[in-house]
Amino acid sequence: GENVEQHPSTLSVQEGDSAVIKCTYSDSASNYFPWYKQELGKGPQLIIDIRSNVGEKKDQRIAVTLNKTAKHFSLHITETQPEDSAVYFCAATDGGYQKVTFGIGTKLQVIP
Amino acid sequence: DTGVSQNPRHKITKRGQNVTFRCDPISEHNRLYWYRQTLGQGPEFLTYFQNEAQLEKSRLLSDRFSAERPKGSFSTLEIQRTEQGDSAMYLCASSQNRRRDRGFGYTFGSGTRLTVV
Repeated sequence: GENVEQHPSTLSVQEGDSAVIKCTYSDSASNYFPWYKQELGKGPQLIIDIRSNVGEKKDQRIAVTLNKTAKHFSLHITETQPEDSAVYFCAATDGGYQKVTFGIGTKLQVIP
Repeated sequence: DTGVSQNPRHKITKRGQNVTFRCDPISEHNRLYWYRQTLGQGPEFLTYFQNEAQLEKSRLLSDRFSAERPKGSFSTLEIQRTEQGDSAMYLCASSQNRRRDRGFGYTFGSGTRLTVV
């Protein structure tokens, strides 16, 4: 089955700096890679996603990159704000979208 | 319809007791998923329904666990003879069976936190 590794497990940045979270996946059949943000006491919320036929996608301050050959994908948050503080999960799934495999999560702390 | 609703939000039970959780998905979503999340970990897939049919179950779903979605709307997850290792957040998500080029639409509820004492 799919295995998704994520690092770092914790990340502290100063407000306004950039944050980068990196993930790798194992199953070459995976072709859809969502990223979720989870705040305390809430369920994960989809913030951005990327498909395997795209190398990069951007949505305001958030961008994702995908290297399908190396099976690497990354989340980039620019101009971080205190409200970006949360746990971020990368994930991977195949074209059936039936089962999503999550990484272990990265706890991001943005220091004002 | 404001999203995926899960009840109860918290449940404390004694070891050996049975518990049941409920999930109400987004009304037009025909797919429903259950995940388990332990502290410091990502969600782990448990099972998945398309309408009322349970199409996939994880090996994590032991014979003490049963999930139903009788009318293809809400779903229940029951754990029998609870053990301390069952303590976790149980998350429900729903999605619509869209065309692949239209995205995924996987929406999670806020979860039910189970504590077995």
